[in-house]
Amino acid sequence: AQSVTQLGSHVSVSEGALVLLRCNYSSSVPPYLFWYVQYPNQGLQLLLKYTSAATLVKGINGFEAEFKKSETSFHLTKPSAHMSDAAEYFCAVRNQAGTALIFGKGTTLSVSS
Amino acid sequence: GAVVSQHPSRVICKSGTSVKIECRSLDFQATTMFWYRQFPKQSLMLMATSNEGSKATYEQGVEKDKFLINHASLTLSTLTVTSAHPEDSSFYICSAMRGTGDTQYFGPGTRLTVL
Repeated sequence: AQSVTQLGSHVSVSEGALVLLRCNYSSSVPPYLFWYVQYPNQGLQLLLKYTSAATLVKGINGFEAEFKKSETSFHLTKPSAHMSDAAEYFCAVRNQAGTALIFGKGTTLSVSS
Repeated sequence: GAVVSQHPSRVICKSGTSVKIECRSLDFQATTMFWYRQFPKQSLMLMATSNEGSKATYEQGVEKDKFLINHASLTLSTLTVTSAHPEDSSFYICSAMRGTGDTQYFGPGTRLTVL
């Protein structure tokens, strides 16, 4: 069965610092992986997705993620944090049927000036 | 493109009443729509998957008689919370997909508060 684990429920960085949000997955089939961002009281916005093409995926707002099969990881990074990046981030894997998404528990990113 | 809307954004109702939440794909036809529930500071839990013109598939533990889902057209799905109770208070989020394997696009969510 598919699952994702997000390490660290809360990450704090300073403005301009590197952002690293960790996600490990478990999948019995080649995974489709996603990162979503959620701002308070809003729905989810897709940041990027991995669908078995390039292992380094670039997304919106300067975020990128690298798929590492040997480590079963799909960590999200951004070289320089902005205050506007403060939000909840969810890693997700598509279920085996190829329909619904299975979400991790989320990581809250705080950015201080 | 790929915009999904939800209505209402917030609703407060009395215990025992029913509440309907609409989810619309504004600029595409959604063969599949999903309903999620999110408790404060927690992740999204899939409640059900609905395909246009057929009965919804509910996840284990979700009462289908309490959470009625209708996907009457390729652009509209509704979730009706029947006989709502305070424990049904939550953030309900829908998503829509154009076809199998496509990206899911999420609505802005509906905050339900049952008094």
